[in-house]
Amino acid sequence: SQTIHQWPATLVQPVGSPLSLECTVEGTSNPNLYWYRQAAGRGLQLLFYSIGIDQISSEVPQNLSASRPQDRQFILSSKKLLLSDSGFYLCAWSVLWQGATALHSPLHFGNGTRLTVT
Amino acid sequence: AQSVAQPEDQVNVAEGNPLTVKCTYSVSGNPYLFWYVQYPNRGLQFLLKYITGDNLVKGSYGFEAEFNKSQTSFHLKKPSALVSDSALYFCAVRAESTDSWGKLQFGAGTQVVVTP
Repeated sequence: SQTIHQWPATLVQPVGSPLSLECTVEGTSNPNLYWYRQAAGRGLQLLFYSIGIDQISSEVPQNLSASRPQDRQFILSSKKLLLSDSGFYLCAWSVLWQGATALHSPLHFGNGTRLTVT
Repeated sequence: AQSVAQPEDQVNVAEGNPLTVKCTYSVSGNPYLFWYVQYPNRGLQFLLKYITGDNLVKGSYGFEAEFNKSQTSFHLKKPSALVSDSALYFCAVRAESTDSWGKLQFGAGTQVVVTP
């Protein structure tokens, strides 16, 4: 079966410090990978998605970047954190988008990282 | 463009009573609809999905959802709510005519509070 791991679970970082959040998926190959941010415990904002190694798209301009050095590894980074980067960060995977067969594929989420920038 | 609306920020229900969480959608082409649940400080858990076929879809933990094409709705239901059903619920839609990578559009979420 497939599993997704995110770490760390919680993180407190000062403003201006760097960030690295990691996500790995097991039990599947060539997944689509996603980073979401959830602010104030409610709405989900898609930050990045990736359909393959080094194939990453950004949904919104921001202080963050993403990388996918391996097929099942997705990393969210920042060189200098801002207060507004605080939030709950969620990684997710889905079956690789290949037309109709993937239309009904749900996203599978990790347990998230609670980031507090002080 | 695709969109999802969850008109209620919060739904309050007594334990044992039926629970309904509303969702309406707007897409071009056929919709693919999903419900997720999120417990505090956890990721989203997939509950059920509608692809095609029967309008009543059964999912995990006794939940079901009814697809209504004419009303463009996909309401989540449970006949008898439990206190443990208290959580944040998200509806999501993916359009058949979406772009090449199948973006899933989420609603804003509905907080369900089940009281003993």
